[in-house]
Amino acid sequence: AQSVAQPEDQVNVAEGNPLTVKCTYSVSGNPYLFWYVQYPNRGLQFLLKYITGDNLVKGSYGFEAEFNKSQTSFHLKKPSALVSDSALYFCAVRGQNAGNNRKLIWGLGTSLAVNP
Amino acid sequence: DTEVTQTPKHLVMGMTNKKSLKCEQHMGHRAMYWYKQKAKKPPELMFVYSYEKLSINESVPSRFSPECPNSSLLNLHLHALQPEDSALYLCASSRGGTGRGNEQFFGPGTRLTVL
Repeated sequence: AQSVAQPEDQVNVAEGNPLTVKCTYSVSGNPYLFWYVQYPNRGLQFLLKYITGDNLVKGSYGFEAEFNKSQTSFHLKKPSALVSDSALYFCAVRGQNAGNNRKLIWGLGTSLAVNP
Repeated sequence: DTEVTQTPKHLVMGMTNKKSLKCEQHMGHRAMYWYKQKAKKPPELMFVYSYEKLSINESVPSRFSPECPNSSLLNLHLHALQPEDSALYLCASSRGGTGRGNEQFFGPGTRLTVL
């Protein structure tokens, strides 16, 4: 069965410090991995994805994520956090060999608070 | 145009009302989705249309009825809803079909309150 875990409900970081939001996954075969962000009272926005190739993926707003196959992880990172990065972050996965199981599997979300 | 639009933004309805949610995209995407989201929870997939055909129904109650009139439009017809159906309803679209590594583009959502 496919699954995604975001082990932290909440992450707090000071503005200007680096941030990491963690995600681990379980799929059969190779994964498609995604990060989405949701600002208060808004829809979800796509940040970045891993399909294949370079393990370090760069996305919107200065975010990046590193695919680690051996640790089945896809942690979201940013070198210097902004107060405006405060939002709810979702990791999602789909197995490349999912066949008829075409839907994304979503993590429960991590609330990021960046303090001034 | 890289936007998914949804109307209305807010909707309050009684349990006996009939209403519809609308979603539109002009990105040429061929897959469109309805999700339900409760506060601070991940979105729950309801329906997927791929090339204008219903391809996934996640065992959604019949009081929710989707419709895809053409490749740019997606409707969700609501009838005899329950208070527990109150949520943010999100529409999304993606390039090509539902598979592979296509990211989904989300609309801002309709905040539905059932009284």
